[in-house]
Amino acid sequence: AQSVTQLGSHVSVSEGALVLLRCNYSSSVPPYLFWYVQYPNQGLQLLLKYTSAATLVKGINGFEAEFKKSETSFHLTKPSAHMSDAAEYFCAVRLIVFSGGYNKLIFGAGTRLAVHP
Amino acid sequence: DAGITQSPRHKVTETGTPVTLRCHQTENHRYMYWYRQDPGHGLRLIHYSYGVKDTDKGEVSDGYSVSRSKTEDFLLTLESATSSQTSVYFCAISASGTSGFSSYNEQFFGPGTRLTVL
Repeated sequence: AQSVTQLGSHVSVSEGALVLLRCNYSSSVPPYLFWYVQYPNQGLQLLLKYTSAATLVKGINGFEAEFKKSETSFHLTKPSAHMSDAAEYFCAVRLIVFSGGYNKLIFGAGTRLAVHP
Repeated sequence: DAGITQSPRHKVTETGTPVTLRCHQTENHRYMYWYRQDPGHGLRLIHYSYGVKDTDKGEVSDGYSVSRSKTEDFLLTLESATSSQTSVYFCAISASGTSGFSSYNEQFFGPGTRLTVL
């Protein structure tokens, strides 16, 4: 069964510091992995995705993530945090339902990022 | 923006009353989903649809039903709301295609409905 674990429900960093949000996955097939961001009182916005083309994936707002098969990880990083990065971040793995020809997302519990001056 | 709207955006209701949430999309996507978001659980799939009148259960479907009589609308109904169904509900569509030389298959989310059951 496919699953996602996000380590740390809350992460706090100083403005300008490195952001590291951790995600580990479990999948019996090569995974498609996603990071979504949710700003307060808003829906989810796709940050970036891994679809097996390249292990280092760049997304919007300066975020990137590296797929490491040996570690079953897809951690999200940003070199320098900005106050506007404060949000909740969700890692997700895609489950393909071949019988129906559609896909489902399995989400982690989320990590709330706080950025302080 | 994948042209997804949800209504209502906020609702407060009482235990035992029926509630229907609506998801509307304007881009003729085949696949639609309903998720609920709760602290510590991320988003969990309630029901999904793979076409008009074609729906199936997700992982937390108890107490919910859905209907899809038109491509653009996917309705989520709580037949008799309970306090445990207080949550934020998100609708999503699955879109696929090509962008330049690459293909994509992604889910896009609506703005959410905050439901409180007293």
